[in-house]
Amino acid sequence: DQQVKQNSPSLSVQEGRISILNCDYTNSMFDYFLWYKKYPAEGPTFLISISSIKDKNEDGRFTVFLNKSAKHLSLHIVPSQPGDSAVYFCAASASFGNEKLTFGTGTRLTIIP
Amino acid sequence: DTEVTQTPKHLVMGMTNKKSLKCEQHMGHRAMYWYKQKAKKPPELMFVYSYEKLSINESVPSRFSPECPNSSLLNLHLHALQPEDSALYLCASSRRTRGEKLFFGSGTQLSVL
Repeated sequence: DQQVKQNSPSLSVQEGRISILNCDYTNSMFDYFLWYKKYPAEGPTFLISISSIKDKNEDGRFTVFLNKSAKHLSLHIVPSQPGDSAVYFCAASASFGNEKLTFGTGTRLTIIP
Repeated sequence: DTEVTQTPKHLVMGMTNKKSLKCEQHMGHRAMYWYKQKAKKPPELMFVYSYEKLSINESVPSRFSPECPNSSLLNLHLHALQPEDSALYLCASSRRTRGEKLFFGSGTQLSVL
């Protein structure tokens, strides 16, 4: 049962444009969401997070949007840069119950120069 | 110091060998984790330690044996592994187990022959 899903396995975006990565979840107990970036054979690097009490969080070129009613979050990267090419994982956890951080299946983002 | 350090970076072992993976953090985090990641898959949780006590074991085979000697160190002892155990093994830490971002190490790429 995949509780966190990223339906686009890959995405290609022109340099300078906006990259939008999407994530859906099914567990209504999730109240903390994160995005990680990963290069091959390296550990994931934390990018940005959002708590369920907010619907938007911004950090530089990265903005995460949360739509609780739709159980959907998205990561916007503006402007996209070649160094952004990586695999992006969304992840979710619940403040109560299981301590586990559940990862999505990942989206490979390629920025075209 | 915001690093999680893992050693070794690469490990090749036979099915009869015994080896250990090591992980260290000096951020004062009280939760530490072992994840396993296969190519093109999300990280998969193996174990969680909270305040040096094992709090989650995700039904991992006994050929993997975790150890948390103190709040800064986490080991994963390997014995009689199978070729299908070949993967990237990631260590992570966080301030506590709920509602916190995880900091990941760069991983140990394990090959079992």
